[in-house]
Amino acid sequence: QVQLQESGPGLVKPSETLSLTCTVSGASIISSYWTWIRQPPGKGLEWIGYMYYSGSTHYNPALKSRLTMSADTSKNQVSLRLTSVTAADTAVYYCARRDDFYDSWGQGTLVIVSS
Amino acid sequence: EIVLTQSPGTLSLSPGERGTLSCRASQSVPSNYLAWYQHKPGQAPRLLIFGASSRATGIPDRFSGSGSGTTFTLTISRLEPEDFVVYYCQQYGTSPNTFGQGTKLEIK
Repeated sequence: QVQLQESGPGLVKPSETLSLTCTVSGASIISSYWTWIRQPPGKGLEWIGYMYYSGSTHYNPALKSRLTMSADTSKNQVSLRLTSVTAADTAVYYCARRDDFYDSWGQGTLVIVSS
Repeated sequence: EIVLTQSPGTLSLSPGERGTLSCRASQSVPSNYLAWYQHKPGQAPRLLIFGASSRATGIPDRFSGSGSGTTFTLTISRLEPEDFVVYYCQQYGTSPNTFGQGTKLEIK
């Protein structure tokens, strides 16, 4: 059974960089695409983007200029980096498997952007 | 991008009843690439349906999906107490993938 676990700071200051890691167990990250999704408080789910371990990526155009996704095959982890954050980036961030529909998700991690 | 509108926002029913949740797309979803998820608070969302009508692995047959084009439906034939949570639809036929705003199923 595939399990995903997001981790990272729960509080980030405005203008700084948000960095999250998704640790995958039960499957190798080279076996699939991996997607990041977020949900701001009281709002709907927003697709952030996806990546393949080789470095191939596809980002939401609205976030593309601030976004970087990467993989560490030795740790079986994928990561997200979002620069110049604002309060609008406050959300629960999820990682999920696949790039079309998502058959496994993490439980999500809340990131609050505040000074 | 394709905008998905779910209705109703909240659906009040009793255990044992049939639940019908709707998802309408602002334009036709290519290849009916439409998925449904169940989301319990504090847990990982769970894939129920993909390709509009294919049940994901391990999903009980009381969950079924139907529809095509711009109109899709998730039906729960006999509601169990654990089914009273939030449901989302998602299209993956056109980038960017988009989600509906969710339907909350509550006990009447």
